[in-house]
Amino acid sequence: TQLLEQSPQFLSIQEGENLTVYCNSSSVFSSLQWYRQEPGEGPVLLVTVVTGGEVKKLKRLTFQFGDARKDSSLHITAAQPGDTGLYLCGDDMRFGAGTRLTVKP
Amino acid sequence: GAGVSQSPSNKVTEKGKDVELRCDPISGHTALYWYRQRLGQGLEFLIYFQGNSAPDKSGLPSDRFSAERTGESVSTLTIQRTQQEDSAVYLCASSRKGQGGYEQYFGPGTRLTVT
Repeated sequence: TQLLEQSPQFLSIQEGENLTVYCNSSSVFSSLQWYRQEPGEGPVLLVTVVTGGEVKKLKRLTFQFGDARKDSSLHITAAQPGDTGLYLCGDDMRFGAGTRLTVKP
Repeated sequence: GAGVSQSPSNKVTEKGKDVELRCDPISGHTALYWYRQRLGQGLEFLIYFQGNSAPDKSGLPSDRFSAERTGESVSTLTIQRTQQEDSAVYLCASSRKGQGGYEQYFGPGTRLTVT
């Protein structure tokens, strides 16, 4: 079974700080999606990365896809309390366990 | 347009009872997925439907779990003889797989509590 590993599992930071979370696989991703899930809701798609080395930006969020397409990162600049949630990476029906981010005001 | 809808939003049932959960996908999405999410955990794949192909049932945890889909529309997930360990949020997602990659659009989930 191919596994997606996300790190860290938990992250608690102050408003205004920067952070990076990671998603790694033992095998090549066909494509990779990042989602954010808030309490009581379903995950919401943030971005899809497909090409090795690809970088995508969504406001304060920067997504990178590794050259070998086996890893990805999500960097958040100047985190805000509204960024609080569970960040999931997924490749089709395979998902990581997520990074649970808390941004304190 | 309308997103993925699920019903009921909450279900409390007694151990041993059967439950049926419903998912209405986004119109035109050929792929439909069911996941289970235990409290504080990630997503556990259960079953996947793609068009008229045979469903991928590889994630179903036991034969108490089953799911059906009518064409490319509504799907129902049935859990028979519920157990306390079945308590979780059940999420449904749909996708235009094959046209839009693997991007999935999730419903709000059904929170199942087995007492």
